[in-house]
Amino acid sequence: ETGVTQSPTHLIKTRGQQVTLRCSSQSGHNTVSWYQQALGQGPQFIFQYYREEENGRGNFPPRFSGLQFPNYSSELNVNALELDDSALYLCASSGLAGAGELFFGEGSRLTVL
Amino acid sequence: GENVEQHPSTLSVQEGDSAVIKCTYSDSASNYFPWYKQELGKGPQLIIDIRSNVGEKKDQRIAVTLNKTAKHFSLHITETQPEDSAVYFCAASNDYKLSFGAGTTVTVRA
Repeated sequence: ETGVTQSPTHLIKTRGQQVTLRCSSQSGHNTVSWYQQALGQGPQFIFQYYREEENGRGNFPPRFSGLQFPNYSSELNVNALELDDSALYLCASSGLAGAGELFFGEGSRLTVL
Repeated sequence: GENVEQHPSTLSVQEGDSAVIKCTYSDSASNYFPWYKQELGKGPQLIIDIRSNVGEKKDQRIAVTLNKTAKHFSLHITETQPEDSAVYFCAASNDYKLSFGAGTTVTVRA
């Protein structure tokens, strides 16, 4: 158990809809990163939030957006869902903004039909 | 950007034997190299990591080696046990993000 919790664990959406995924970071951690893991692949970096500000972004379109709240929990929002957005979305927290140990949650499995 | 390649994609070993997974990276600025284990239905769990100022690190049955000149690093698991069966990912980073390899599915045969 890493102390990182994500919700929901599974959800099904249809193409064009919008989705919000939530993450509670481990106690004491002020940095949250989001990753997308397609089936059979390694996780791909979406973005990182540090003290409520976006600290870096991977190669994902603007329809992927996020928020971090004062308690360091975070949301990932995806608009205009596409079939290729079907994946496991992983949240990871850490105690520093740079390269260091990430504690991953169990993920939210999104299926887009 | 960073590109991490991982081999092999699948690995089957007899219980008690050793398992070796190899990764190469492209960005010479990368300075942090973690290894994650992911079991079915779970998120990745850090099992060992190494920084660029260290050539080797060991933790019980697990060891990692790093060759900065050749830009490759390896995971070694000795005396494998059935609970070592999982998908293993290597990763590299020099800033705020990890670039992951495609993963190695390790099966330990009893």
